[in-house]
Amino acid sequence: DAGVTQSPTHLIKTRGQQVTLRCSPKSGHDTVSWYQQALGQGPQFIFQYYEEEERQRGNFPDRFSGHQFPNYSSELNVNALLLGDSALYLCASSLASVSTDTQYFGPGTRLTVL
Amino acid sequence: AQSVTQLGSHVSVSEGALVLLRCNYSSSVPPYLFWYVQYPNQGLQLLLKYTSAATLVKGINGFEAEFKKSETSFHLTKPSAHMSDAAEYFCAVSEGDSGGYQKVTFGTGTKLQVIP
Repeated sequence: DAGVTQSPTHLIKTRGQQVTLRCSPKSGHDTVSWYQQALGQGPQFIFQYYEEEERQRGNFPDRFSGHQFPNYSSELNVNALLLGDSALYLCASSLASVSTDTQYFGPGTRLTVL
Repeated sequence: AQSVTQLGSHVSVSEGALVLLRCNYSSSVPPYLFWYVQYPNQGLQLLLKYTSAATLVKGINGFEAEFKKSETSFHLTKPSAHMSDAAEYFCAVSEGDSGGYQKVTFGTGTKLQVIP
C-alpha cells in the first residue's frame, strides 16, 4: 500500500519564478492538505482540497494556489517566488468521511529560492 | 482559535532516562490532539492521537501521552530513551467538523537529543 508521495524531492528556483509541486495521496484517501515548514518551525497550514475544491485556507497570499484532480492527487502552485518561500512543503492526505482520521504526511519537497 | 505551545525547543536526556516533552493546547471545542515525530530530511510520522476516548493514549515506539483537560495539556512521555529517539517532535491540535474538514495546527517543535 503506497503512502503519500511527493515530487520533486528538491527544487531550486530564483526570485520571481513560478513553481509547481505535486502530491499523490495514500490509497483510499480523498482529501489533501498542504503545509509549509520553514527551517526550525512547525508546519503551517496552507489549504485543503476535497472533491476538487479548496475547502479551507490558512493565512497565505493568493500567490499560493492549488488544484485537486479526479484521482485525488493534488498540485501546489506558487507564483512570483520570494526568498521567504524557501521551505519544506508537506502534503498530507486523509479520508473526509472520518472526522477523526489521521493525516498521513509525505516526505516533502524542499524548495530553495535564490 | 486553536493553538499549541511546546515548552522547550531543545531537550536532552541520557540514554535510558525518562523522556518528557511538554505540550499545552488551546481550543474552543473538544480537540483532537496528536504527536508527530520528524527525522532529519523526512516528513512527519504519527506517534499517537487523542480523539476523546481514553485519556491515556499509547503510541508507537513505547511513547504515550495523557490528556488532561483541567491543565489543557497533552505531554508526551517514554520511560526509557533510546538513541533512535533523537528527532524533532511536534504536538498538534485539530478541530475537525462533521464534514471531515481538519485544520491541524502544529506547535513549533521540540528537538530531542539522546546522550549515550
